[in-house]
Amino acid sequence: GAGVSQSPRYKVAKRGQDVALRCDPISGHVSLFWYQQALGQGPEFLTYFQNEAQLDKSGLPSDRFFAERPEGSVSTLKIQRTQQEDSAVYLCASSPLKGQKYEQYFGPGTRLTVT
Amino acid sequence: GESVGLHLPTLSVQEGDNSIINCAYSNSASDYFIWYKQESGKGPQFIIDIRSNMDKRQGQRVTVLLNKTVKHLSLQIAATQPGDSAVYFCAALTSYGKLTFGQGTILTVHP
Repeated sequence: GAGVSQSPRYKVAKRGQDVALRCDPISGHVSLFWYQQALGQGPEFLTYFQNEAQLDKSGLPSDRFFAERPEGSVSTLKIQRTQQEDSAVYLCASSPLKGQKYEQYFGPGTRLTVT
Repeated sequence: GESVGLHLPTLSVQEGDNSIINCAYSNSASDYFIWYKQESGKGPQFIIDIRSNMDKRQGQRVTVLLNKTVKHLSLQIAATQPGDSAVYFCAALTSYGKLTFGQGTILTVHP
């Protein structure tokens, strides 16, 4: 199992609930990215970590979105008080080098449906 | 900022034909472009990349062409196979690795 894994694969939440999405990057990868992919669209950047430091969170759509990577490995994306517009696939990607234009390896994504 | 878009949202081809998928970008600041393939229920998978100081790069059955004058990218797939059916995205890489994706083209290969 050398790839990026994400859990859960599917999540249904009622509007107003909080959710937590997990990403297990490839072991040793320094960089970790979260993207949001709406149906029929390309992924859109949410946030970036280099080890445990969150260096860019400019893509987070609101303060209801929060991401962390406390030990520089596993990352969690949390969405508070979910709204219907949060329904999307949330993709995590990791990359082995920092500050380098290097290939990102994507996980399968978590499909979030807010009802 | 960077925006990347595609000319055609869908493309249908016969098995064995060559496929060409196009992409336009708006910001010439990016110096690195990548093509991804995404199958249903999976994350994007790297196909091929090209730096802005190149015009063409070839891989196994795939070729990427970059025309900086008109800010246009294309992905050519030779001898398209049913397994090539997927959504294809171009993406521009900026700074530390943040990707800006285009809308995507659905490629359907008929046996």
